[in-house]
Amino acid sequence: AQSVTQPDIHITVSEGASLELRCNYSYGATPYLFWYVQSPGQGLQLLLKYFSGDTLVQGIKGFEAEFKRSQSSFNLRKPSVHWSDAAEYFCAVGAELFTSGTYKYIFGTGTRLKVLA
Amino acid sequence: DVKVTQSSRYLVKRTGEKVFLECVQDMDHENMFWYRQDPGLGLRLIYFSYDVKMKEKGDIPEGYSVSREKKERFSLILESASTNQTSMYLCASSPLRDRGWDQPQHFGDGTRLSIL
Repeated sequence: AQSVTQPDIHITVSEGASLELRCNYSYGATPYLFWYVQSPGQGLQLLLKYFSGDTLVQGIKGFEAEFKRSQSSFNLRKPSVHWSDAAEYFCAVGAELFTSGTYKYIFGTGTRLKVLA
Repeated sequence: DVKVTQSSRYLVKRTGEKVFLECVQDMDHENMFWYRQDPGLGLRLIYFSYDVKMKEKGDIPEGYSVSREKKERFSLILESASTNQTSMYLCASSPLRDRGWDQPQHFGDGTRLSIL
């Protein structure tokens, strides 16, 4: 079955430090992959997406992610974290058809990022 | 910008009540979704609709139903609310393309529902 794993529930980094959030997926074909961010009390906002082509994708707010097929990973990175990046981050894969032929998204359980001043 | 609006940010109801959560999107999207979000469990799909009057069960449909009478509006109904339905509920929409699931979802700000 398709699945998404975010192994880190919480991550704490100092402001200005680099960041990497891990995401591993299980899917038989080439997946469509997404990273979302959720600030407190808000809905989810799309950071970036991967469909095909260049395996390093750029997103908003200075984030990037790299698709590695051999490792079934889609890790999110940022070279220098800002205090405003404190939020919860979700990795998701667009996959799995319903019997009607339509689709759904599968989300990881999220990684909560804390940024120290 | 796509706007997905959930009618309430916070809602408090009593056990056994029938509860309606409303969601409206303004971008003519075909697909609409209802999720619940709980700590440590991420987002779990309750129901999904890909057209007016069409719906699909998600992973946790028990105790819920949905209604989509108009394309822009998708309602989640708790038929008889129970305390274990206390949660954050998120609505999302996405457009229908040839392959559908390559389009990202757009989310509302959520409704935090407490059942007492």
